[in-house]
Amino acid sequence: NAGVMQNPRHLVRRRGQEARLRCSPMKGHSHVYWYRQLPEEGLKFMVYLQKENIIDESGMPKERFSAEFPKEGPSILRIQQVVRGDSAAYFCASSDLINQPQHFGDGTRLSIL
Amino acid sequence: KQEVTQIPAALSVPEGENLVLNCSFTDSAIYNLQWFRQDPGKGLTSLLLIQSSQREQTSGRLNASLDKSSGRSTLYIAASQPGDSATYLCAVSRSQGGKLIFGQGTELSVKP
Repeated sequence: NAGVMQNPRHLVRRRGQEARLRCSPMKGHSHVYWYRQLPEEGLKFMVYLQKENIIDESGMPKERFSAEFPKEGPSILRIQQVVRGDSAAYFCASSDLINQPQHFGDGTRLSIL
Repeated sequence: KQEVTQIPAALSVPEGENLVLNCSFTDSAIYNLQWFRQDPGKGLTSLLLIQSSQREQTSGRLNASLDKSSGRSTLYIAASQPGDSATYLCAVSRSQGGKLIFGQGTELSVKP
């Protein structure tokens, strides 16, 4: 049973470009969470999704950031018009029920030039 | 607002020692608490999950306890090994919703 798969592992973008981060949850998991780890800071929750629904986006910046988890395919975290402050490691986690153990992917390291 | 604190921020011990990592949280209304390890450049590996109704969980050389009323959890590692070197994170989830609130982590180094 494959774990949570995130791609790409590393992503480099110039200021003003768009970044798309993908997350395929573990098989059978319908709950997906995105977290961000800024340099020298802890992990912060961004958004929680179930298939086709955003359940909690309280940790996601209101502008430039969006997330989706379509019926078919991976969850996507999209950052438009990236700025230097978006440089971070972005982690995706999945679970099969609310509040059951969350299993994490290896993250996408986003670097903004 | 829930805040999670981990002490110490860093810890260095010789191989073979038993050690305790501490985690405290300000709001006792949690649903569960999870301990993770994170290796450099990697994701998080779940170690133990304690439901709010439980007092402790054990897995191999690891034992995690939970005292919800005092807002504390400890992770006990027996007979530490160099392979245990990593950052250890604790995280709590609330009664509703599944998001995890993380502490800053304890960076553990076990010297051979």
